[in-house]
Amino acid sequence: DAGITQSPRHKVTETGTPVTLRCHQTENHRYMYWYRQDPGHGLRLIHYSYGVKDTDKGEVSDGYSVSRSKTEDFLLTLESATSSQTSVYFCAISEGTSGSSEQFFGPGTRLTVL
Amino acid sequence: GQQVMQIPQYQHVQEGEDFTTYCNSSTTLSNIQWYKQRPGGHPVFLIQLVKSGEVKKQKRLTFQFGEAKKNSSLHITATQTTDVGTYFCAGETSYDKVIFGPGTSLSVIP
Repeated sequence: DAGITQSPRHKVTETGTPVTLRCHQTENHRYMYWYRQDPGHGLRLIHYSYGVKDTDKGEVSDGYSVSRSKTEDFLLTLESATSSQTSVYFCAISEGTSGSSEQFFGPGTRLTVL
Repeated sequence: GQQVMQIPQYQHVQEGEDFTTYCNSSTTLSNIQWYKQRPGGHPVFLIQLVKSGEVKKQKRLTFQFGEAKKNSSLHITATQTTDVGTYFCAGETSYDKVIFGPGTSLSVIP
């Protein structure tokens, strides 16, 4: 497996609290992605990064922000968590763009917002 | 908006039977990728198809990309219990915009 770790792996939090999820890679890949996975929806892109400090929105970016200050780390922040953000979050990396290269996924973070 | 759909949503087969999942896009795709996710695991890349009408095989798995580049299929011959999981297609609808289908969940009865 590619060197991708996510932390925490599980988190339970309350509505209205801020939450930060971390993705760390050791592959030096340029592209990093955050997805959420919900039953019946597959994987939906939240935000992605194409380099240090270069990020862009995905299809479900409302309520989320990201930062990438180093090649190896990509942070996803829920400013004020809501119950609708209960989900499994996957980080992914790729050498090239998502359409031209395979994506390697991290183990996922299960987030529950009460 | 642009959509990538998959059918069926669920499939239960007896071990040894064949299995097929279909992926359909509302728009022409530049290419399509397939991923497999085992229960409790993370998606793992299987293959990428780029050319119209392309067919690729990986042991018992056969992948096809439609002539119009709007649909694709994954066929598994003689399923085994190790094939259990959810199969996702992911289509590139425009430059660097990839949309995942909702997946087909396969269960194999021994």
